[in-house]
Amino acid sequence: AQSVTQPDIHITVSEGASLELRCNYSYGATPYLFWYVQSPGQGLQLLLKYFSGDTLVQGIKGFEAEFKRSQSSFNLRKPSVHWSDAAEYFCAVANTRNDMRFGAGTRLTVKP
Amino acid sequence: EAGVTQFPSHSVIEKGQTVTLRCDPISGHDNLYWYRRVMGKEIKFLLHFVKESKQDESGMPNNRFLAERTGGTYSTLKVQPAELEDSGVYFCASRQQGQETQYFGPGTRLLVL
Repeated sequence: AQSVTQPDIHITVSEGASLELRCNYSYGATPYLFWYVQSPGQGLQLLLKYFSGDTLVQGIKGFEAEFKRSQSSFNLRKPSVHWSDAAEYFCAVANTRNDMRFGAGTRLTVKP
Repeated sequence: EAGVTQFPSHSVIEKGQTVTLRCDPISGHDNLYWYRRVMGKEIKFLLHFVKESKQDESGMPNNRFLAERTGGTYSTLKVQPAELEDSGVYFCASRQQGQETQYFGPGTRLLVL
């Protein structure tokens, strides 16, 4: 069965600092991998996705993520965080039938 | 193009009452999904429609939950009777056949008192 682990429940970074949110998955084959963001009062917005090909994927808002098969990881990164990035971030994995499973989420706080 | 919409945005009801949530998918998206996030926990899959048919309802917690998608357009999720543990955020998502990405609505925040 597929599963997703986001080990960090809450992360605080200073504005302008770099960010890395961790995601590990369990799945028998190469899954489809996603990062979604939920800002306060908003729905889930797709940041980026990986299906195949280049393991470093670029997303919206300056985010990127790298798929590492050997580590079963798909960590999300941003070189310089903005105050508007404060939100909750969800990693998700889907199989070929598009059954999607989410991690528990990481809440990001940005200090001025 | 309009995104996925959900109604209501918030609902506060008493234990034992009935609540019906509605989801309007992106036009032309045959696949429609319902998910739920209970406070502080992960977002969990409830069920998946392909057009008007239930493709997978393995995530439905119990028979107090009834989902329908008559006509293969919008979907409703009814909770009857509601219990305290049903509180949470209910998300709907839609996906175009042949594509991998699900697009999510803003969610309905349900509070059962």
